[in-house]
Amino acid sequence: QKEVEQNSGPLSVPEGAIASLNCTYSDRGSQSFFWYRQYSGKSPELIMSIYSNGDKEDGRFTAQLNKASQYVSLLIRDSQPSDSATYLCALNTGNQFYFGTGTSLTVIP
Amino acid sequence: DAGITQSPRHKVTETGTPVTLRCHQTENHRYMYWYRQDPGHGLRLIHYSYGVKDTDKGEVSDGYSVSRSKTEDFLLTLESATSSQTSVYFCAISLAGRSYEQYFGPGTRLTVT
Repeated sequence: QKEVEQNSGPLSVPEGAIASLNCTYSDRGSQSFFWYRQYSGKSPELIMSIYSNGDKEDGRFTAQLNKASQYVSLLIRDSQPSDSATYLCALNTGNQFYFGTGTSLTVIP
Repeated sequence: DAGITQSPRHKVTETGTPVTLRCHQTENHRYMYWYRQDPGHGLRLIHYSYGVKDTDKGEVSDGYSVSRSKTEDFLLTLESATSSQTSVYFCAISLAGRSYEQYFGPGTRLTVT
């Protein structure tokens, strides 16, 4: 079983809609959770970090963490074509880091 | 980009040759990491460092070694490159006091023929 599981997609949403990206993880000892955005041919860039249960909002992005269900999600409100990218879920367990394989998002104008 | 550079940015090498990739940072970050990214596997941690001469293994360390003799440089060496090590390699740093948030360099595309 992989440490981090993501639906690879592709996920397509119309411009202005809410995009919902999901991630599950296997190790209950995981401490910190992250969402990265990666454009094709580029390096990952950090969007959000979340450490405790609940919601964390930053602009159009909301991260949600539910440790009991071992579930992390990212909501993107008012999706824009520039949000089209691959979104990576990541976590750390001790000094080890694990990334999901990413969900490809396309925002259709 | 958190002041991270990687060199070379692209490299083609032959099976069995040694290869060293360099990660250089300008902002004195303590923690540095090497990842590889492959289709279907995502990013996987190879090695990490939490200070000069302090390094440890990640998930996929076999066939790789690292060295950190200065805070600003973290070197990844493939002792004898194999075709399975064809990948994109990313270096990352963590900002002190930001609980493991990582910031990535631009990457090195390595092809082993």
